[in-house]
Amino acid sequence: AQKVTQAQTEISVVEKEDVTLDCVYETRDTTYYLFWYKQPPSGELVFLIRRNSFDEQNEISGRYSWNFQKSTSSFNFTITASQVVDSAVYFCALSGMDSSYKLIFGSGTRLLVRP
Amino acid sequence: NAGVTQTPKFQVLKTGQSMTLQCAQDMNHEYMSWYRQDPGMGLRLIHYSVGAGITDQGEVPNGYNVSRSTTEDFPLRLLSAAPSQTSVYFCASRLEGGSNNEQFFGPGTRLTVL
Repeated sequence: AQKVTQAQTEISVVEKEDVTLDCVYETRDTTYYLFWYKQPPSGELVFLIRRNSFDEQNEISGRYSWNFQKSTSSFNFTITASQVVDSAVYFCALSGMDSSYKLIFGSGTRLLVRP
Repeated sequence: NAGVTQTPKFQVLKTGQSMTLQCAQDMNHEYMSWYRQDPGMGLRLIHYSVGAGITDQGEVPNGYNVSRSTTEDFPLRLLSAAPSQTSVYFCASRLEGGSNNEQFFGPGTRLTVL
């Protein structure tokens, strides 16, 4: 069975602090995709990144970076120098490569960045 | 492109009422799906479609019907609403066969069943 665990329910930091959101996944598939989505207070889902299981290279996009480690089944997300606008719920998700393209979501981590 | 659109944004129903949540996309995406989001549970797949005339069940299909008569539209029907269906509903679409597996989500419909 596929499962995504985001053990951190809520995180609160002060602006400019670095923060890491944890994501651990379970799958029997040998090929799969991993995603991060952001859900700001307005409620929409914003795609942040997709990673496929072939590629364990870490990725950096501005203040955002992602650490994919197959050995520990983790796909962690770090925000450097956090800003108030980063306050949102962040979801990690897993998808197989079959025709359903079903996204298995974690329960989300609510990040509050205080000024 | 308008992307993925959903109507209505908010809806209140009484138990037993029926209604249809509308979803449309103008990106010519073959794949469309419906998710529900409940507090503390992330999103769960209800139904999906890989093209016009083809639909299949997801993780939590009970109480919902779908049809896909056109590429653009994928409505979700609640035949007899129950309080357990109070949730936020998201529609998503994806280009079939694309190298990028990104799914584009609509803005959501917040449904309350009394």
